[in-house]
Formats: sequence, C-alpha cells, structure tokens
Amino acid sequence: DQQVKQNSPSLSVQEGRISILNCDYTNSMFDYFLWYKKYPAEGPTFLISISSIKDKNEDGRFTVFLNKSAKHLSLHIVPSQPGDSAVYFCAASAKAGKSTFGDGTTLTVKP
Amino acid sequence: KAGVTQTPRYLIKTRGQQVTLSCSPISGHRSVSWYQQTPGQGLQFLFEYFSETQRNKGNFPGRFSGRQFSNSRSEMNVSTLELGDSALYLCASSLLVNTGELFFGEGSRLTVL
Repeated sequence: DQQVKQNSPSLSVQEGRISILNCDYTNSMFDYFLWYKKYPAEGPTFLISISSIKDKNEDGRFTVFLNKSAKHLSLHIVPSQPGDSAVYFCAASAKAGKSTFGDGTTLTVKP
Repeated sequence: KAGVTQTPRYLIKTRGQQVTLSCSPISGHRSVSWYQQTPGQGLQFLFEYFSETQRNKGNFPGRFSGRQFSNSRSEMNVSTLELGDSALYLCASSLLVNTGELFFGEGSRLTVL
C-alpha cells in the first residue's frame, strides 16, 4: 500500500509559467510534509516543508499548499526557470516516524 | 560544514556476493536513515538509526542490515546479492530523529551482475 502518491510521473512547462506538482497521501497520522528536489547523480536536497497545522508555506518562488481534508498537497513554482528541471519528491512523516516518499515527478522547464 | 559522505560511489558485484556501504553524516547529526532508489520506485525506506539504535525498519528482507557506530557513522550490508538489488542507495542524516529535513548524500550506485 503506497501511502504517498505522486500520480504524474512527468510535467513539462514553459519558462516563466507556473509549475504545479501534486501529491496525495492516505495516512491520516502524517503531520509533516516535505518536498525534495533531485538532480541526476546527486542526492535529493530539501526544498520546502509544511506542518499539518498550516495550509500554506511560502519560500521565494516556491509555495506548498496542504489540504488536510483531501489529503493532498501541492508545490507551486512561480515563475518556473530552466534550472528547476529536476525530479521532485514529496515526503510525509508522522511524529517520531520515518519519512515516506512518493515516486517522484520529473519536471522539465523549457526555455 | 561537510555534507553527508557515502562510500563507495559506484560498485559492481555479482549475484551471491555481499556488499557493505558506508555513510558519514553531517557533524553533529545523530540520526541516519537509508533509502533504496530504483527506477520508477521512488525512495524506499530501509532503516533509521539514532544513537546506535535502530529506530525504524522498512519492509526489506533480512539480507539487508545496518548498524551505527558511536561517532554516528553508519554502514549497511546486503548479503547474498540478487539482480534486483541493483539500485542507488542513499543515506540521509538529520539533527534529531526522522521528523524533519533530511540531508542526503550523493548515494552509492550498486550494480549486481
């Protein structure tokens, strides 16, 4: 049973437009959510996180939205840049528990 | 501040052999987690160690084992290698237990022939 799902394996957007990456989860015990970015031949790097007590967190061009009732979160990147092209992983954790990752979405930003 | 260091970066083994991978966390980080990444499978959790104790374990067979030393360095071992064990093995460290941001190493790419 996959508890964290990223249903879109890939996403392609034009430079300057908005990128929206989606993530769904099933475990209602998850209370902390994170997004990581991964370039080829590198390990994932932390991008942004959100606690379950919030519904939005913003950091520069990156905003994460959390809809607890729908068990859904999304990452918005505005404006998208070619350097944002990477694999994006959604992750979730419960108190004192391991992080569970989705399968990732490959974002391609075209110049 | 040095990042998470994993060795070796690349290795090739044959079926039936065993392999040991090493991870040095960021200085001061006491929690170390291991993940397996295969194409299309995302990051599958293997285990997490904190202060030399295994706190969490994923759904992997007993051929996969790990340990953590007093200096927080960690090793994972895979015995009786199978073709399906070919993957990128990622180590991540965090300051506290696995409830927040993880700092990943570049991974050890294992190929089993």
